[in-house]
Amino acid sequence: NAGVTQTPKFRILKIGQSMTLQCAQDMNHNYMYWYRQDPGMGLKLIYYSVGAGITDKGEVPNGYNVSRSTTEDFPLRLELAAPSQTSVYFCASSYLAGNSGNTIYFGEGSWLTVV
Amino acid sequence: AQKVTQAQTEISVVEKEDVTLDCVYETRDTTYYLFWYKQPPSGELVFLIRRNSFDEQNEISGRYSWNFQKSTSSFNFTITASQVVDSAVYFCALTVLRTGGFKTIFGAGTRLFVKA
Repeated sequence: NAGVTQTPKFRILKIGQSMTLQCAQDMNHNYMYWYRQDPGMGLKLIYYSVGAGITDKGEVPNGYNVSRSTTEDFPLRLELAAPSQTSVYFCASSYLAGNSGNTIYFGEGSWLTVV
Repeated sequence: AQKVTQAQTEISVVEKEDVTLDCVYETRDTTYYLFWYKQPPSGELVFLIRRNSFDEQNEISGRYSWNFQKSTSSFNFTITASQVVDSAVYFCALTVLRTGGFKTIFGAGTRLFVKA
């Protein structure tokens, strides 16, 4: 059971560099999300997607971009890395199933440091 | 607007003590879902429980129990006979349905230290 898979797990970036965090899920979930968790803090939603071809901004989208060309994949792009983007990034997915709610399944996290 | 408040930033207990983590939520929606997640030191997020707004029954799962009270907008989590392995950050979350999908708001988390 792969679930939600994120890569890379750790990355150090220099200011101004670009990179893409990869995320894939094999549960045929419609919804996918990217969250960031700053040290000692809760989760903040960056972007989310309700299906292939559809994305929308969350609480803290500035400095990031996403795409959802397939149901399985939801990459997060950082174009010009800044120290404020040093954080742990969690990709997640969920399945809309009527009244059963919306349990979110998380990847293991990607630790990103911008220096 | 929706809000989730976990007023306890950190809690420290001795092994075998019972501990309750508080969660208070705000929403005007009549249909919503509440969750608890555990984040151990290794960093991953682990789903613990989901409760929908129509079901106020309390739930017990081993040493874990949850008390959902709509009258006070609370969804508290109790660990009975705590163990060192329970040391983690615990997040409460609220999900509501919006046009285009669900919206989930997380609380800031409560860090639980269980000492041997």
